[in-house]
Amino acid sequence: DIQMTQSPSSLSASVGDRVSITCRASQGISTYLAWYQQKPGKVPKLLIFSASTLQSGVPSRFSGSGSGTDFTLTISSLQPEDVASYYCQKYNSAPFTFGPGTKVDIK
Amino acid sequence: EVQLLESGGGLVQPGGSLRLSCTASGFTFNNHVMTWVRQAPGKGLEWVSSISSGSVSTYYADSVKGRFTISRDNSKNTLYLQMNSLRAEDTAVYSCAKLSSENTFRVPLDYWGQGTLVTVSS
Repeated sequence: DIQMTQSPSSLSASVGDRVSITCRASQGISTYLAWYQQKPGKVPKLLIFSASTLQSGVPSRFSGSGSGTDFTLTISSLQPEDVASYYCQKYNSAPFTFGPGTKVDIK
Repeated sequence: EVQLLESGGGLVQPGGSLRLSCTASGFTFNNHVMTWVRQAPGKGLEWVSSISSGSVSTYYADSVKGRFTISRDNSKNTLYLQMNSLRAEDTAVYSCAKLSSENTFRVPLDYWGQGTLVTVSS
C-alpha cells in the first residue's frame, strides 16, 4: 500500500508569514491528492483537491502544488483563523490514506 | 443543505460488537460513494472504509479488514458500519462522509458528519 507522510508535524509562525506543509506519497499518485483543514472541535473542511484546485469558498491565500509523489500546501499570509491541523489524503485508489497531519499555531 | 447524522456509538467491551448508522439528506444519496473515517482522541484522521453507490464495491483499511462491514440502504438514505471483535485501539469518533462527485471513488470528501464516539473498554 502507498504510505503518506507529512512534514513538519507541527509549526508555529507569525501572523502574515508564508507557511508551507509538505505531503509525500511512497509511490506516484498523479494529482489525486486533497488537503483538509480541521479546526479544534470541528469537522474537517476540504481546502484543495486535484493537488492544486481551490475548493469553492476557500480563501485565495491557500494554494497547493505538486504531482506524483511530492505535494505542498502553502498559506501565503498566515491568519489567526488558520490555526488548525492540516491533512493530505490520496484518492487515486484504495486504501484512501490520510497523512498524519500538521498542526499549525500562531507564534 | 447536505446533512449527515451518525448514531449508534457508545461504550462496548473488548470483543464486543456495535453497528453505526449515518442518515443522509440534501443530496442524491444513491448516486454517491460513501466513506467512514475515524479519529482517535487527540490523534489524526484515519480512513476506515468506503462503499460504492450500488454496494458492488467495498474497501477497508487493513486495521479493520475482517472485523468491520460497511453497507448501505439506498431506500432509507442510510449508511452502516457493523463493527465486530472490537479492540481498545478502535476507540474513536466515527464520522461518515460523502464524496464530492457521483459514482466515483476518485474524488475527495466534501461533507462530513459530526461523528459518534465509540469507546472500547472493560
